[in-house]
Amino acid sequence: GAGVSQSPSNKVTEKGKDVELRCDPISGHTALYWYRQRLGQGLEFLIYFQGNSAPDKSGLPSDRFSAERTGESVSTLTIQRTQQEDSAVYLCASSLIGQTYEQYFGPGTRLTVT
Amino acid sequence: EDKVVQSPLSLVVHEGDTVTLNCSYEVTNFRSLLWYKQEKKAPTFLFMLTSSGIEKKSGRLSSILDKKELFSILNITATQTGDSAIYLCAAQGNTASKLTFGTGTRLQVTL
Repeated sequence: GAGVSQSPSNKVTEKGKDVELRCDPISGHTALYWYRQRLGQGLEFLIYFQGNSAPDKSGLPSDRFSAERTGESVSTLTIQRTQQEDSAVYLCASSLIGQTYEQYFGPGTRLTVT
Repeated sequence: EDKVVQSPLSLVVHEGDTVTLNCSYEVTNFRSLLWYKQEKKAPTFLFMLTSSGIEKKSGRLSSILDKKELFSILNITATQTGDSAIYLCAAQGNTASKLTFGTGTRLQVTL
């Protein structure tokens, strides 16, 4: 498969637990983005990785959120001590450097915090 | 703070109708305006607009940007049930890495 993949597709967790979401970008795409989409809302930028540069973390809503990326491959988004307001679809996208507009999105992970 | 506003929030039309979706933006050092179609989960790229007054066209879809009035429209002619989706508008501004998205317009096309 040549597209962006994410796992798990659905995750239900109890309030207070930590969760880890995974994103596999398109091979060769050095730019990787995480977004959050709450029900009925638009996409909310979380974090951006570009090659080996320092990530742009300006969209992370709190210090409970963190993300890592190893080189130009897989990225994980970690949410610690989950809260009910963290319930959303988390979308990952990747693009070639300098082509922010042409982001290819993964299918997303639907997170439900009970 | 950068802001993108879309209208209407939702729309129901009959197959064959023409629809116009609106997007206004306030973005520092505006670079481009993008439209995406979102069915189920993953948005797919439709158009990128950087210049005023130049229409982009793809089949029954077209879009145009007005940089003076800070808005864009997306037109869909002869709508089909397969056009039912959320249409997202996003603006790229000062920070090349970041797109600011609107809340989307949910379009439903009925038979």
